[in-house]
Amino acid sequence: GNSVTQMEGPVTLSEEAFLTINCTYTATGYPSLFWYVQYPGEGLQLLLKATKADDKGSNKGFEATYRKETTSFHLEKGSVQVSDSAVYFCALSTGNTDKLIFGTGTRLQVFP
Amino acid sequence: GAGVSQSPSNKVTEKGKDVELRCDPISGHTALYWYRQSLGQGLEFLIYFQGNSAPDKSGLPSDRFSAERTGGSVSTLTIQRTQQEDSAVYLCASTPDRVSGNTIYFGEGSWLTVV
Repeated sequence: GNSVTQMEGPVTLSEEAFLTINCTYTATGYPSLFWYVQYPGEGLQLLLKATKADDKGSNKGFEATYRKETTSFHLEKGSVQVSDSAVYFCALSTGNTDKLIFGTGTRLQVFP
Repeated sequence: GAGVSQSPSNKVTEKGKDVELRCDPISGHTALYWYRQSLGQGLEFLIYFQGNSAPDKSGLPSDRFSAERTGGSVSTLTIQRTQQEDSAVYLCASTPDRVSGNTIYFGEGSWLTVV
């Protein structure tokens, strides 16, 4: 079946450090891939997405590239800020249902 | 309102009681989802409604869980005879149509605690 695997957290970084959160997927067909973010006390919101192979999603300095050959969609940011502290969820959807399958989430903690 | 609205935001109930959680999707959105987020767990898909089609109930964990969507808009998730393991945040989400890759908009969730 379809599934998403992402690295366990928490990930703890100092401000301005480079961030990578790994995400790999298993899916039949050609999924769309997403990163959602949940800031403390807030609801889930879309961070970025990519709908086909080799697409790069980007937003707020974050990037992720849809790699079909490695079935990956790793999240990266060149210089994190304290305000990036949140839980990040990798997700996929397939077919025409838009049913999102989520990973378990990775908590990022950024310290000054 | 502009976003997905859920109520109650917090609910504490005694084990064995029934609870109802409500979701108002974004106006005009045809698809509605319920997810569950347990402490330390990811988001677990529960049920999906799309227009007038039969709902996808494949994620409901037991027959104590049910959901309906009246008039293609508001949805109610009902948990009967609640158990402590039902304690979680229940998230509702909606999206405009069924085109794959559409952004899904989440509500802030209903935090359920079963004591």
